[in-house]
Amino acid sequence: EAGVAQSPRYKIIEKRQSVAFWCNPISGHATLYWYQQILGQGPKLLIQFQNNGVVDDSQLPKDRFSAERLKGVDSTLKIQPAKLEDSAVYLCASRGGLTSYEQYFGPGTRLTVT
Amino acid sequence: GESVGLHLPTLSVQEGDNSIINCAYSNSASDYFIWYKQESGKGPQFIIDIRSNMDKRQGQRVTVLLNKTVKHLSLQIAATQPGDSAVYFCAENSGGSNYKLTFGKGTLLTVNP
Repeated sequence: EAGVAQSPRYKIIEKRQSVAFWCNPISGHATLYWYQQILGQGPKLLIQFQNNGVVDDSQLPKDRFSAERLKGVDSTLKIQPAKLEDSAVYLCASRGGLTSYEQYFGPGTRLTVT
Repeated sequence: GESVGLHLPTLSVQEGDNSIINCAYSNSASDYFIWYKQESGKGPQFIIDIRSNMDKRQGQRVTVLLNKTVKHLSLQIAATQPGDSAVYFCAENSGGSNYKLTFGKGTLLTVNP
């Protein structure tokens, strides 16, 4: 089975610019997560979707970050405007099954804000 | 141990030795725990999991121990190989039925040939 796909793999932008990341989860997985992983730290959950609805976005900086999963499959995460502290790896994960805990991660997008 | 900022706890072992990686979790109500392995430039990869009603679970070359009294989790890797070199994270399900994982800070394991 194909894994979680993310693009781009790398992105360099200047502060105050905008950027978008794309995620395609494992086929059939209803739950999709976006994480931010700052260098040297564990992933931190930004937002969780169940199909096309938001389950948890309590740690998403909503003044600059937005995410959508309009058709309940692919998802995009956007940052506008970017700040220097947004430099991180953005990981997408998906989970299948109603009672399965395991999350499958994509390779991530490494964002550098200069 | 715990890390601050960019300084990951590190563990350096010789090839063939056993490795033990420790993790302190935060939520006494967490009902499920996972160990992930993350190699440079890749996303976290599942290693082994354990539910809170167990205190030990074994996989292939790996064992996870759970001590709920002191909120401590450990990962034991037998006969450590160079391919085991990576950062290891423990994660706890802190979201109940929302299945939301909270990750620890990670430990860098280096295996010397």
